[in-house]
Amino acid sequence: EIVMTQSPVTLSVSPGERATLSCRASQSVGSNLAWYQQKPGQAPRLLIYYTSTRTTGSPARFSGSRSGTDFTFTISSLQSEDFAVYYCQQYNEWPLTFGGGTKVEIK
Amino acid sequence: QVQLVESGGGVVQPGRSLRLSCAASGFTFNNYAMYWVRQTPGKGLEWVAVITYDESVKYYADSVKGRFTVSRDNSKNTLYLQLNSLRTEDTAVYYCARDRDRYQYGYPCDHWGQGTLVTVSS
Repeated sequence: EIVMTQSPVTLSVSPGERATLSCRASQSVGSNLAWYQQKPGQAPRLLIYYTSTRTTGSPARFSGSRSGTDFTFTISSLQSEDFAVYYCQQYNEWPLTFGGGTKVEIK
Repeated sequence: QVQLVESGGGVVQPGRSLRLSCAASGFTFNNYAMYWVRQTPGKGLEWVAVITYDESVKYYADSVKGRFTVSRDNSKNTLYLQLNSLRTEDTAVYYCARDRDRYQYGYPCDHWGQGTLVTVSS
């Protein structure tokens, strides 16, 4: 099973600042990596797939990149609605696995 | 718009069974693979099962294999998860979700239900 490790667990950021979240895969997943956002009491929402492709409705301030088995999710300028938990997920092989999440909180 | 509505959760004793349902609307249900994903405070998000649009492929997480069964009724636009031999560690919110690609499976989920809570406790 591919283990996805996210860091940091919690990220404190001020509105308007840049946020950078990391996700590392225990083995190659190619570019088959997605990012989800989850707010309290809500289901996860798909933001990015195939490392860097934004879904319809995902704001342009969200972006993703890859370097080998290391993936980065960036929010260029945090808005109030962006404070949430973010999960990465690999879909390169079964079982599909998620990272433990990064909580982005207001500084 | 796409809607997924789970039901069937509740409190159940260890060793007992439960059947979850997910009613789908707003899209052509029989064109999409569907998933069950669960979430616990301790273990985060865990993929549970997938079923292809035509039921030809079903995969399960090792943690539920042999105990859980995924099925669908395309005539009723409904997805099911039969949970047998329940354990305390199966306590979680169970979400149904849709694959983002028509006729494919193994891709991210672009639509999720609101979840149904299953609590396994004596």
